[in-house]
Amino acid sequence: AQSVTQPDIHITVSEGASLELRCNYSYGATPYLFWYVQSPGQGLQLLLKYFSGDTLVQGIKGFEAEFKRSQSSFNLRKPSVHWSDAAEYFCAVGARDRGSTLGRLYFGRGTQLTVWP
Amino acid sequence: SAVISQKPSRDICQRGTSLTIQCQVDSQVTMMFWYRQQPGQSLTLIATANQGSEATYESGFVIDKFPISRPNLTFSTLTVSNLSPEDSSIYLCSGWTGVAAGELFFGEGSRLTVL
Repeated sequence: AQSVTQPDIHITVSEGASLELRCNYSYGATPYLFWYVQSPGQGLQLLLKYFSGDTLVQGIKGFEAEFKRSQSSFNLRKPSVHWSDAAEYFCAVGARDRGSTLGRLYFGRGTQLTVWP
Repeated sequence: SAVISQKPSRDICQRGTSLTIQCQVDSQVTMMFWYRQQPGQSLTLIATANQGSEATYESGFVIDKFPISRPNLTFSTLTVSNLSPEDSSIYLCSGWTGVAAGELFFGEGSRLTVL
């Protein structure tokens, strides 16, 4: 079964600083990987996804993530954080093997990002 | 992007009653799912809503407590039965747009409070 670990419950950074949110997954093969953001009182928005190909993926709002198979990781990065990036970030994994239901995603517990002015 | 509409957006219910949440998606969606997000927690997959047949439930979720219907491609309902305060959560409907687009879209959620 798939599982996702986000080891950092809460991260605080200063505006303009760089950011890295960690995500590790457990899955028998290469999964589909996603990062979602949830702002207070808002729905979930997809930041980026990895299906195959280039292991460095670019997303919206200046975010990127790198898939590292050897480390079973899919860490989210942003070179310069803006105050509007304060939100909850969720990493998710989906199965891609034959017979699995595509779109059935499993989420990590989330990382709350606070941005200091 | 896919459009997913849920209603009600919020409700307050008494213990022992039931609440039915409706979800309408646009035609881009191939698969539909229901998630639960308990206060301060992550999203937990409840079930896959299958068109015209019984939903496929995840471990820990049963049909008697969370009956789900999906009579057609674009509409699904989730009922939370025999409510208890532990059922107070946000319930989210989601739709998958297929591998080509490869995105799981979410509705705004239905916030349930059980007294």
